[in-house]
This record gives sequence, structure tokens and C-alpha cells, in this order.
Amino acid sequence: GAGVSQSPSNKVTEKGKDVELRCDPISGHTALYWYRQRLGQGLEFLIYFQGNSAPDKSGLPSDRFSAERTGESVSTLTIQRTQQEDSAVYLCASSLAGDGSDTQYFGPGTRLTVL
Amino acid sequence: GDSVTQMEGPVTLSEEAFLTINCTYTATGYPSLFWYVQYPGEGLQLLLKATKADDKGSNKGFEATYRKETTSFHLEKGSVQVSDSAVYFCALRRNTGFQKLVFGTGTRLLVSP
Repeated sequence: GAGVSQSPSNKVTEKGKDVELRCDPISGHTALYWYRQRLGQGLEFLIYFQGNSAPDKSGLPSDRFSAERTGESVSTLTIQRTQQEDSAVYLCASSLAGDGSDTQYFGPGTRLTVL
Repeated sequence: GDSVTQMEGPVTLSEEAFLTINCTYTATGYPSLFWYVQYPGEGLQLLLKATKADDKGSNKGFEATYRKETTSFHLEKGSVQVSDSAVYFCALRRNTGFQKLVFGTGTRLLVSP
């Protein structure tokens, strides 16, 4: 079956522009997660969705970052007024139920470069 | 807070060599532990996991044992192949309700023929 997909795979933008990153989770997965991987660092948690609500946004680094999920499916991560330090690979994952026993399945990521 | 520390890479080995990638963790309580692998050009994939102390996770010839006494989850393989070249991430997650995965920085493995 289809895995988690993300688009675009690569995005180059100028400092100050807004960007939208899209994640299509595995069909039927109620939990969706966004992570960020900056060069030379581990993955950082950004936000978690259970259905269409986000009970944990604790990892969003600033108010320039926001995310939404609709129809318990697609999620969009929006970064406003991008800065060079936002350059990273943004990874999306989904899992069946979101509880402690779940396996998270990751997409291939979107590589964002802010010039 | 919770954290995962894994050895710096790259780890460079010849084919059929023995592999160990060290991973230690700091967490409240007893988390689940994971190894994820990222092959070139692909997304992160779960390699193996262990959910309680003394559990051994295994997959594709890789093994890791959850050691509570040393708070470790070292990844081992007896005979690596060129196709094992990838980045390996150790991670933990608490077992109560939703808890995010906490990742180490990753270790790149390069296996030469």
C-alpha cells in the first residue's frame, strides 16, 4: 500500500517568503507528526495531530510556524517570513492510533533551503 | 528532559565486519527504544524496537538489547554488507499516552566491498 508522501521534495525560497509543506499520511492513520532535521542534528519534534486537532504543539520553534490538518488526512506545515535557520529537512510521520505502542511511518521529507 | 546520545560517525567498515553503534538514553521511567534507518534517498524506516527492559529487538540481522542498568540500546550486526550503508538513528518514546519520539543525532555507516 501507499506510504506517507510529502511535497514538494525540495523547496528553495528567499528569506522573508512564506512556504507551505504538505504531508499525505497513510490512509486510516489518525495520528500525524511533523519533525525537523537540521544539518548535523537529530530530528526535532514539531507538532502532533490526533485527528484534526493538535494536542501537542510544543515543538513549534516560533509563531512563524503553524500547521493544520483537514479531513483527518492531509496536513500542511506553513512557515511565514522564512529565515535562514529554517533550512532543514521537514519530515512527516503517521501512525494508526497515536498511543505509546504505535509505530510511526515516515515520509521521504521536504528539503527546505532558505537563501 | 529526555535525550538520546549515539556515537559520532561516520563508521567505516569493510564488508563482513562486525558492527556496533552505541546508544545511551536519559529518560524518566522506562521508555520504548527504537532504531530507525535512513537509506540514501529514502525516508526513515523502523529497523527494530524494544518496549521493556531486557527485550531484544531484531531485524535483517541487526539486534539491540534494552539494558536498563546501563540505559543503553546498542545496535549490533555480525557481518555487515555494502547494502547496510545508511544513517542509523536511535530514539526513545515514553509509553504513556502520546509521546513524541526523541532522536539521537544519527550515525552514518559506510561499508566498503
